[in-house]
Amino acid sequence: AQSVTQPDIHITVSEGASLELRCNYSYGATPYLFWYVQSPGQGLQLLLKYFSGDTLVQGIKGFEAEFKRSQSSFNLRKPSVHWSDAAEYFCAVGRPRVFGNEKLTFGTGTRLTIIP
Amino acid sequence: DTAVSQTPKYLVTQMGNDKSIKCEQNLGHDTMYWYKQDSKKFLKIMFSYNNKELIINETVPNRFSPKSPDKAHLNLHINSLELGDSAVYFCASSLPPLAGGTDTQYFGPGTRLTVL
Repeated sequence: AQSVTQPDIHITVSEGASLELRCNYSYGATPYLFWYVQSPGQGLQLLLKYFSGDTLVQGIKGFEAEFKRSQSSFNLRKPSVHWSDAAEYFCAVGRPRVFGNEKLTFGTGTRLTIIP
Repeated sequence: DTAVSQTPKYLVTQMGNDKSIKCEQNLGHDTMYWYKQDSKKFLKIMFSYNNKELIINETVPNRFSPKSPDKAHLNLHINSLELGDSAVYFCASSLPPLAGGTDTQYFGPGTRLTVL
């Protein structure tokens, strides 16, 4: 069964500092990998995704993530955070199949706090 | 021009009542999903429908009954509501590569259900 681990429940970063959110997955083959962001009281917005090809993927809002098969990781990074980045971040793994991804398995989320 | 919409946004009701949550997508996707987010923000798949056919039912109590009148709608009906049903329910949709899509799930804004 697929699973996702986000080891950091809560991270606090100063505005302008760099950010890395960790994600480790367990899956028997190459999975589909996603990062979603949930702002307070809001729905889930897709930041970026990895299906295949280039292991460094660029997303919206200046985020990027790197797929490392050897470490079963898909860490999210941003070189300089803004106060508006404060939110809950979810890593998710999907199981590709012929007729499309059937479900996403989510990590428990990392809450990001930005301090001035 | 909302992609995935849910109604209502908030739902407060008494234990034992029956309620429905509606979901509509205008993305032309053929796969729709319901996820439940608990008080600890953990997201878990409940159901998945592909072209109005149920393809995933993740051991959800049979008090929960999804209904898909057409590809663009997936409603969730809940009978005999219990305190433990209090959560945020998210609808999502996707289109598999076989159908010309990218297999990415797009989420609605969520429905916060509170059972008193």
